Amino acid sequence: AQSVTQLGSHVSVSEGALVLLRCNYSSSVPPYLFWYVQYPNQGLQLLLKYTSAATLVKGINGFEAEFKKSETSFHLTKPSAHMSDAAEYFCAVSSSNTGKLIFGQGTTLQVKP
Amino acid sequence: DAGITQSPRHKVTETGTPVTLRCHQTENHRYMYWYRQDPGHGLRLIHYSYGVKDTDKGEVSDGYSVSRSKTEDFLLTLESATSSQTSVYFCAISEGRIAGGDTEAFFGQGTRLTVV
Repeated sequence: AQSVTQLGSHVSVSEGALVLLRCNYSSSVPPYLFWYVQYPNQGLQLLLKYTSAATLVKGINGFEAEFKKSETSFHLTKPSAHMSDAAEYFCAVSSSNTGKLIFGQGTTLQVKP
Repeated sequence: DAGITQSPRHKVTETGTPVTLRCHQTENHRYMYWYRQDPGHGLRLIHYSYGVKDTDKGEVSDGYSVSRSKTEDFLLTLESATSSQTSVYFCAISEGRIAGGDTEAFFGQGTRLTVV
């Protein structure tokens, strides 16, 4: 069965600092991996996705994530945090044999001025 | 934004009453999903549909049923609401199976349901 674990339910960074949100997955078949962002009182918006074309994936708003098969990880990073990045972030996994998205527990990012 | 409308957006209901949430899409996407979001659990799949009258269970389907009689509408019904079903419910759609490529899930704005 597939699963996703996001390490840290809350992450706090200062404006301008590096953002690192951790995601580890479990999958018996090659996974497809996604990061979604949710702003307060809104639905989820796709940030980026890994589809095996390239291990380093660039998304919207300056975010990127690197797929590391040996570490079963897909961590999300941004070099310099902005106040507008404050939101909840979800990592998700799918595979060709299920076609369903399985989400992690979510990480709330706080950006301090 | 993808054309997804959830109704109602907020609802308060009493324990034991039936409740139906509606998801309407204008994208003609084949797949539709219902998730619930609870603190500490992320989003959990309740049911999904892969076509008209074709549905399947997700990971937390007990106490919920769904119906899809038209491509554009996916209904989630709580036959007898319980306090444990207080949650935020999200509908999502995708053109094909969510398995990479250009297929991705688009989410509605959510329905906040409170069962008292």
